[in-house]
Amino acid sequence: QVQLQQSGPGLVKPSQTLSLTCAISGDSVSTNSATWNWIRQSPSRGLEWLGRTYYRSKWYNDYAVSVNSRITITPDTSKNQFSLQLNSVTPEDTAVYYCASSGKIAAAGTALEDWGQGTLVTVSS
Amino acid sequence: EIVLTQSPATLSLSPGERATLSCRASQSVNSYLAWYQQKPGQAPRLLIYDASNRATGIPARFSGSGSGTDFTLTISSLEPEDFAVYYCQQRTNWPPMFTFGQGTKLEIK
Repeated sequence: QVQLQQSGPGLVKPSQTLSLTCAISGDSVSTNSATWNWIRQSPSRGLEWLGRTYYRSKWYNDYAVSVNSRITITPDTSKNQFSLQLNSVTPEDTAVYYCASSGKIAAAGTALEDWGQGTLVTVSS
Repeated sequence: EIVLTQSPATLSLSPGERATLSCRASQSVNSYLAWYQQKPGQAPRLLIYDASNRATGIPARFSGSGSGTDFTLTISSLEPEDFAVYYCQQRTNWPPMFTFGQGTKLEIK
């Protein structure tokens, strides 16, 4: 089973960049059979998928339309982890952020199977 | 964008009773529908994927059914640890994205 361990700051100032990392154990970020996702949860927006990175002979990224202009998800093969950067944050980006894997149990990648522990990120000056 | 609508918003039942939770999609999602359980302070846990397949380690009292636009999660006999919030989720191929329902809170009566 894949285990995901999140790290990163819990407080970010408005207009700055939110950065979180998700360390993977039990699998490789470079596997051809999984995708690596970021999701957030807030009372106002519920559960919201933000984007993913995955390797299929080369690296691909997909991002949600709502954050497409501000988000970058990056794999780090040397550390077997992937990272989220969200630029120009506002208080509306305050949420619990989760990383999650997909594609190992549901082969079509239709479910988010293993989750990190979550990180509450507050955007405030 | 496909919208998932869950009902009821809150379900009040007693241990031992049967729970039936509904998820309706605004357009067909074939069988690409998953269910999650979330307890306070925890990440969501995958229960059911592709409408009716239990994830690893999920007890047999949890079952999923449906296809197209109407889906059901059934808990055959509620245990005390089953009281939580339940979410449905679907994935589209294009644009590639996951979307979630707003959740059903299953509370002890």
